[in-house]
Amino acid sequence: EVQLEESGGAVVQPGGSLRLSCAASGFAFHDDTMHWVRQVPGKGLEWVSLIDWDGGTTHYVDSVKGRFTISRDNSKNSLYLQMNSLRTEDTALYYCAKGRLTWVQSWGQGTMVTVLS
Amino acid sequence: QSALTQPASVSGSPGQSITISCTGTTSDVGGYDYVSWHRQHPGKAPKVMIYDVSNRPSGVSYRFSGSKSGSTASLTISGLQVEDEADYYCSSYTSTRILVFGTGTKVTVL
Repeated sequence: EVQLEESGGAVVQPGGSLRLSCAASGFAFHDDTMHWVRQVPGKGLEWVSLIDWDGGTTHYVDSVKGRFTISRDNSKNSLYLQMNSLRTEDTALYYCAKGRLTWVQSWGQGTMVTVLS
Repeated sequence: QSALTQPASVSGSPGQSITISCTGTTSDVGGYDYVSWHRQHPGKAPKVMIYDVSNRPSGVSYRFSGSKSGSTASLTISGLQVEDEADYYCSSYTSTRILVFGTGTKVTVL
């Protein structure tokens, strides 16, 4: 069974940094593209970033380019999202997800990031 | 990249069929056969129901089907059941090699 467990969410001030982690199990992590998707409570889904199987390809939504960095450690079956220069509009539930370059296949339960002055 | 356009709400009675539309552009929905649909119950994580326009993942009911015409994709739920009441989001691969989600549709079972 695919399991994706996010951690690292917290309350942080604007301009601050945070690192989200996602522990993966139940599938061949090193084979899959991984995504981060966020959702403001009560609002819709927003795709944030992806990284391919070996980290050679990464993409970001324009609003986080230059501030967020996605990475992975296949030896630890783990996905990360380094978030710098956080803004109030980054407040959301952040989902870790597995899939392909073209779609999201399975979702974690999410970790909440709150940017509050 | 703008969100794909979905109707805010769709409703139907048990047993009926409903269709949710997802409108994009030639840079996303219209340009690739990489549309997926995700269902989200309140307080829960999303779950993929359709991928690559019309493919159902293992375990997803045959009552869910997808199609596409031009830059508009559609999700049809046949034999509507109470458990189908949820939010539904489409997603598409785009020409800039990122993904984009739709605005979301709340399905109500009357």
